[in-house]
Amino acid sequence: AQKITQTQPGMFVQEKEAVTLDCTYDTSDPSYGLFWYKQPSSGEMIFLIYQGSYDQQNATEGRYSLNFQKARKSANLVISASQLGDSAMYFCAILPSGTYKYIFGTGTRLKVLA
Amino acid sequence: GAVVSQHPSWVICKSGTSVKIECRSLDFQATTMFWYRQFPKQSLMLMATSNEGSKATYEQGVEKDKFLINHASLTLSTLTVTSAHPEDSSFYICSAQADLQETQYFGPGTRLLVL
Repeated sequence: AQKITQTQPGMFVQEKEAVTLDCTYDTSDPSYGLFWYKQPSSGEMIFLIYQGSYDQQNATEGRYSLNFQKARKSANLVISASQLGDSAMYFCAILPSGTYKYIFGTGTRLKVLA
Repeated sequence: GAVVSQHPSWVICKSGTSVKIECRSLDFQATTMFWYRQFPKQSLMLMATSNEGSKATYEQGVEKDKFLINHASLTLSTLTVTSAHPEDSSFYICSAQADLQETQYFGPGTRLLVL
């Protein structure tokens, strides 16, 4: 069975510091995609970053980078230089090959402190 | 690019009425749209998947007669909550996908409160 685990229900980080949000997954599919979304209090789900299972390099998008360790089945999100606006819920999701349905983790609530 | 709108953003209705929620992909054609439900402090729960011009595929436990989904065009899908009851109060969010295996882009969500 496919599964996504986010072990940190809540995290605090000081403004301008970097923070890592953990995500591990369980899949037997050789090909899959990994996604991170941000959900602020307004509710919308904002796409942040994507990593393909066959991508050789870790994905980066501005201040977001994905620490992809395939052998360990982890896809941690790293946010550098945290800003107050980064305070939100963050969801990790996996999209196994041959399916169109995301499997979401339970989310991590990040609070950036001034 | 990849903007998805959802309307209305908020709806309050009386028990027994039906509520229609629209989901539109504004700058791309969405072959597939998804409808999720989210309870407070929980993750998203997929309700159904709709493809343009065909019947929606509902997840186990989701009543298709209760939650009617129509995907009339490549840019519009609607979710109608029929005969809404207080337990249907929730946050409903749609997403759209241009092709399978691609990123889903989400709408801003609709908060439904049934009195």
